[in-house]
Amino acid sequence: SQQGEEDPQALSIQEGENATMNCSYKTSINNLQWYRQNSGRGLVHLILIRSNEREKHSGRLRVTLDTSKKSSSLLITASRAADTASYFCATDRDNYGQNFVFGPGTRLSVLP
Amino acid sequence: DAGVTQSPTHLIKTRGQHVTLRCSPISGHKSVSWYQQVLGQGPQFIFQYYEKEERGRGNFPDRFSARQFPNYSSELNVNALLLGDSALYLCASSFDLARETQYFGPGTRLLVL
Repeated sequence: SQQGEEDPQALSIQEGENATMNCSYKTSINNLQWYRQNSGRGLVHLILIRSNEREKHSGRLRVTLDTSKKSSSLLITASRAADTASYFCATDRDNYGQNFVFGPGTRLSVLP
Repeated sequence: DAGVTQSPTHLIKTRGQHVTLRCSPISGHKSVSWYQQVLGQGPQFIFQYYEKEERGRGNFPDRFSARQFPNYSSELNVNALLLGDSALYLCASSFDLARETQYFGPGTRLLVL
């Protein structure tokens, strides 16, 4: 089974609303990353949060990490139509190239 | 600077054939990772190469192999293609082994008939 599991699988909101996506994982991690993918193209790195961090911000993005619950959330504030994409979390259990695992993703639709 | 490039962009093969996919990382990046993304799913890690050595391998059969060249470009080879190998193959480069920031190419879409 996959290390990262996002929920919901799909989310549809209106422009200007906030979107929250969650990710759960199973093992201990060094860091967790969030990526965006537009229409089956290459992924774009959004943000990395380390296991000793609880919250991180980047522009309209806010990521939290709860290692006790093995979960992370990605909040996009004041969403725009251009935020429409699939969002994936990925965990890397160690720093030597092992088990870099993506979840199945959340498909976000932002309606104008 | 150019981003990560992959070739070809699309490919159609038949079962049993062999395929070679190519990736050029961002200049200065020494690590290349390969991922397979089946439609509707997240990317699955196949290989990571760093300084021309294999440094990680996902749960894929031996039909999948890869290598990295002295200029850090990489090839992914798949032998004896199966219908289930149809997917988007993504290459990602990063500066070092840790992959804390990966830059992805646009992918090669492979269809096996």
